[in-house]
Amino acid sequence: AQSVTQPDIHITVSEGASLELRCNYSYGATPYLFWYVQSPGQGLQLLLKYFSGDTLVQGIKGFEAEFKRSQSSFNLRKPSVHWSDAAEYFCAVGEDGTDKLIFGTGTRLQVFP
Amino acid sequence: GAVVSQHPSRVICKSGTSVKIECRSLDFQATTMFWYRQFPKQSLMLMATSNEGSKATYEQGVEKDKFLINHASLTLSTLTVTSAHPEDSSFYICSARDGRGYNEQFFGPGTRLTVL
Repeated sequence: AQSVTQPDIHITVSEGASLELRCNYSYGATPYLFWYVQSPGQGLQLLLKYFSGDTLVQGIKGFEAEFKRSQSSFNLRKPSVHWSDAAEYFCAVGEDGTDKLIFGTGTRLQVFP
Repeated sequence: GAVVSQHPSRVICKSGTSVKIECRSLDFQATTMFWYRQFPKQSLMLMATSNEGSKATYEQGVEKDKFLINHASLTLSTLTVTSAHPEDSSFYICSARDGRGYNEQFFGPGTRLTVL
């Protein structure tokens, strides 16, 4: 069965620092991968997605992610974090043959001034 | 584009009552809608998938008689929590697919349910 692991429950960074959030997936073929952000009390907003093609994906708000098949990873990066980036970040994989999304447990990002 | 709304955003009810939550796709037709439940500081757990005009498909462990889902039109799905109990208190989030992008779901802002 497919699964998604986000090893980091909580990450704290200083404003202006670079950021990398880790995501590992378990899937046999080429997966459909997503990163979502959830601000407190809000629904989820899609940051970026990977279906095929270029393994470096650009998203909104200055985020990017790189698909690495050899490492089964889809890590999210941002070169310079802003205080408004503080939120919960979820990695998800599309379940094969269905419309379902399987979510990781999330990483809470805290940004200090 | 691709906006999904939920109503109400927050609801408090007494134990034993029923609560209805609406999910609407505002600017597209949603062939499929999904209902998730999110516990504090946890991930989203899919409860059920609904397709317009047909019965919802519930995930294992979700009581279909307790969580009634109706997808009556291409823009509206409702989740009714029947005979609510305090353990049903949670954050309920819906999402919708427009049938164009594979697995691309657009999420509503969520509904915070508190059962006293």
